[in-house]
Amino acid sequence: AQSVSQHNHHVILSEAASLELGCNYSYGGTVNLFWYVQYPGQHLQLLLKYFSGDPLVKGIKGFEAEFIKSKFSFNLRKPSVQWSDTAEYFCAVTKNNQGGKLIFGQGTELSVKP
Amino acid sequence: EAGVAQSPRYKIIEKRQSVAFWCNPISGHATLYWYQQILGQGPKLLIQFQNNGVVDDSQLPKDRFSAERLKGVDSTLKIQPAKLEDSAVYLCASSLDPSGRRGGEQYFGPGTRLTVT
Repeated sequence: AQSVSQHNHHVILSEAASLELGCNYSYGGTVNLFWYVQYPGQHLQLLLKYFSGDPLVKGIKGFEAEFIKSKFSFNLRKPSVQWSDTAEYFCAVTKNNQGGKLIFGQGTELSVKP
Repeated sequence: EAGVAQSPRYKIIEKRQSVAFWCNPISGHATLYWYQQILGQGPKLLIQFQNNGVVDDSQLPKDRFSAERLKGVDSTLKIQPAKLEDSAVYLCASSLDPSGRRGGEQYFGPGTRLTVT
């Protein structure tokens, strides 16, 4: 079945550690890729997105993600996390012929220890 | 710019009862989505409206769920009768352009947390 997979359910890091969250999707054809974040008590918000062009995209708060088409991956990275990055992170995909319907991964909970 | 509004924020009902959720999208957003997020999972699309027409309701359990978007603005999602497995957060989102040219960027509301006992 077509899906979006996030490799880690829960990641615990200390402040200043580097972060990489894995995301793989199983759709063929042209896709748009997203990372959404949900901070404690807040609603889902867009962190970054990829449509086309440079496969390395930069988002808010120092996050970036790299689209590797051959690996069907869109991993999220941050060189140095902060306590305020504690949140749940969702990878999501839309297909260009499906009217913007987001298909989400199961989410990765990130806990950053001060 | 005001965000997507949802109410109520929390609802507790017994199984077999009915419940309704309300969503007001960002002004000018033609497309409205309802997602169901079960604990430990990512959101799953239930229904998508383009103005007041349904674009995709393939994952809506139509025997118990219904949704409408009268006048192409506010929307209501109803469950009747509720089952225990309907316990979840119901998210409403809106976007300007569903075609993919804007990448389906969606703006989410705070959600309604439903507990069915």
